[in-house]
Amino acid sequence: AQKVTQAQTEISVVEKEDVTLDCVYETRDTTYYLFWYKQPPSGELVFLIRRNSFDEQNEISGRYSWNFQKSTSSFNFTITASQVVDSAVYFCALSDVGDYKLSFGAGTTVTVRA
Amino acid sequence: DAGVIQSPRHEVTEMGQEVTLRCKPISGHDYLFWYRQTMMRGLELLIYFNNNVPIDDSGMPEDRFSAKMPNASFSTLKIQPSEPRDSAVYFCASSSTSYEQYFGPGTRLTVT
Repeated sequence: AQKVTQAQTEISVVEKEDVTLDCVYETRDTTYYLFWYKQPPSGELVFLIRRNSFDEQNEISGRYSWNFQKSTSSFNFTITASQVVDSAVYFCALSDVGDYKLSFGAGTTVTVRA
Repeated sequence: DAGVIQSPRHEVTEMGQEVTLRCKPISGHDYLFWYRQTMMRGLELLIYFNNNVPIDDSGMPEDRFSAKMPNASFSTLKIQPSEPRDSAVYFCASSSTSYEQYFGPGTRLTVT
């Protein structure tokens, strides 16, 4: 069975600090996809990134970066130089290749204070 | 391009009433998903369709819930009769074969 664990329930930082969100997953499959979604206070879920299990390269997109480590089953997300607009709930999710269902973690609430 | 469209955005109804939530997926997407989000249970997948055919409805909580997809551009999630514990935000999402799902704005349902 699939399981995604986001151990951090809430994180509060001051603007311009870096913040790292942890995600640990479990799956029996050897090929799978990992995702991060953002849910701002307005409520919609915004897709941020998809990562394939066979591609362990880290990825950077602007102030966002992702660290995928298959050996520890982790897919962590870092926001560099955080801004107030980064305040949101962030969800990590997992999908096995061939199965389009997403298993979501419980989410981490990030609050960035000015 | 238009994203996933859901209606209504808010619904308040009395216990026992029928509720119908609607979704229009992104054009060209073959997969459609219905999720429910609550504080207690987080995001739960209720059902998903591929090419208008239900593939997995194991997340549908009970027989009071039903979902249909009569064509590629429309789906409904119906609750009959509704109960207070059905109060939640219901999201529709769609996807192509690339796996990432794009979510609609959600319908906030309150059953009193």
